[in-house]
Amino acid sequence: AQSVTQLGSHVSVSEGALVLLRCNYSSSVPPYLFWYVQYPNQGLQLLLKYTSAATLVKGINGFEAEFKKSETSFHLTKPSAHMSDAAEYFCAVSDTGGSSNTGKLIFGQGTTLQVKP
Amino acid sequence: KAGVTQTPRYLIKTRGQQVTLSCSPISGHRSVSWYQQTPGQGLQFLFEYFSETQRNKGNFPGRFSGRQFSNSRSEMNVSTLELGDSALYLCASSFNAGRTGANVLTFGAGSRLTVL
Repeated sequence: AQSVTQLGSHVSVSEGALVLLRCNYSSSVPPYLFWYVQYPNQGLQLLLKYTSAATLVKGINGFEAEFKKSETSFHLTKPSAHMSDAAEYFCAVSDTGGSSNTGKLIFGQGTTLQVKP
Repeated sequence: KAGVTQTPRYLIKTRGQQVTLSCSPISGHRSVSWYQQTPGQGLQFLFEYFSETQRNKGNFPGRFSGRQFSNSRSEMNVSTLELGDSALYLCASSFNAGRTGANVLTFGAGSRLTVL
């Protein structure tokens, strides 16, 4: 069964510092991987996705993630944190269910990012 | 292009009651998935509907049900509400379900259910 582990439920960084949010996955087949962000009282917004085209994926708002098969990781980074980045971040893997894709994602437990001025 | 619309945004019910939540997907999206979000369990998949048929189901009791209409709008229903059903219920729609390539979900803002 597929699973996702996000290391660290809370991460605190200073404004302008590097953001690193960790995600490890377990999958028996090449996965599709996603990072979503959730602001208070809102739904989830897609930051970026990995679909096997390139191991380094660039997303919105300056975020990027690198797929490392050997480490089964898909960590999210941003060179310089802004106050507006404070939110909860979710890593997810797609349950491909065979040859076709479905709407079922397996989510990690989430990481709350705090940005200090 | 309008996003995924969920109604109502907030509601309060008492134990034993039932509730129906509605989701209007992005125009052209045929797949609608529902998720429950709680502080303790995180984001959990409830079910997915595609072309009016339930395609996938998560590990929830039969009190949780859903349906999809011919215009792709979806509803989910929870009967005999329990305190533990208090959660944010998120709906997501997608265009690519059933085809090759990554299936990108677009989420609504959610319906926050409080059970007293």
